[in-house]
Amino acid sequence: AQSVTQLDSQVPVFEEAPVELRCNYSSSVSVYLFWYVQYPNQGLQLLLKYLSGSTLVESINGFEAEFNKSQTSFHLRKPSVHISDTAEYFCAVSAFSGGYNKLIFGAGTRLAVHP
Amino acid sequence: EAQVTQNPRYLITVTGKKLTVTCSQNMNHEYMSWYRQDPGLGLRQIYYSMNVEVTDKGDVPEGYKVSRKEKRNFPLILESPSPNQTSLYFCASSLSRNQPQHFGDGTRLSIL
Repeated sequence: AQSVTQLDSQVPVFEEAPVELRCNYSSSVSVYLFWYVQYPNQGLQLLLKYLSGSTLVESINGFEAEFNKSQTSFHLRKPSVHISDTAEYFCAVSAFSGGYNKLIFGAGTRLAVHP
Repeated sequence: EAQVTQNPRYLITVTGKKLTVTCSQNMNHEYMSWYRQDPGLGLRQIYYSMNVEVTDKGDVPEGYKVSRKEKRNFPLILESPSPNQTSLYFCASSLSRNQPQHFGDGTRLSIL
């Protein structure tokens, strides 16, 4: 069965510091990978996605993630965070299983950026 | 504006009183889904729908019902709510199952 593990439930960091939010998944089949962001009192918004092609994907607000098939990871990184990046981040995996694609979410990582 | 609209946003009710949370999308998406979000558990899928009149159970369907009579609407029904259904609920839609999903702003339910 597929599963998604976000290794850190909370990540505190100072403004302008780099950050990495870790995500590992388990699946024996080809996958699509997503990062979603949830700001307070809002729904989830797609941050970036890997469907195929280049293993390094970027978002418009400076985040990037790299699909590493051998390590089954899809870690999210940003070289310099802002206060406005404070939010909860969810890694999600869509894997083909039993005749259809199933989307599974990790438990989330709460990023807190401090001045 | 492309959006998924859920109503109500907040609801406090009592055990056993039937309630419906509505969900509507204006993007002509075929795939719609309901999730519940609980601390430390992430999002868990309750039910999903591949198209009109096609629905199926997700990971935590017990105590919930859904219907998909029109493409744009996908209501979530709690026939006899219980306190363990107190949670934050999200509706989502996408063009197909493996495409990124668009989420509503959430409905916070408290069952006393």
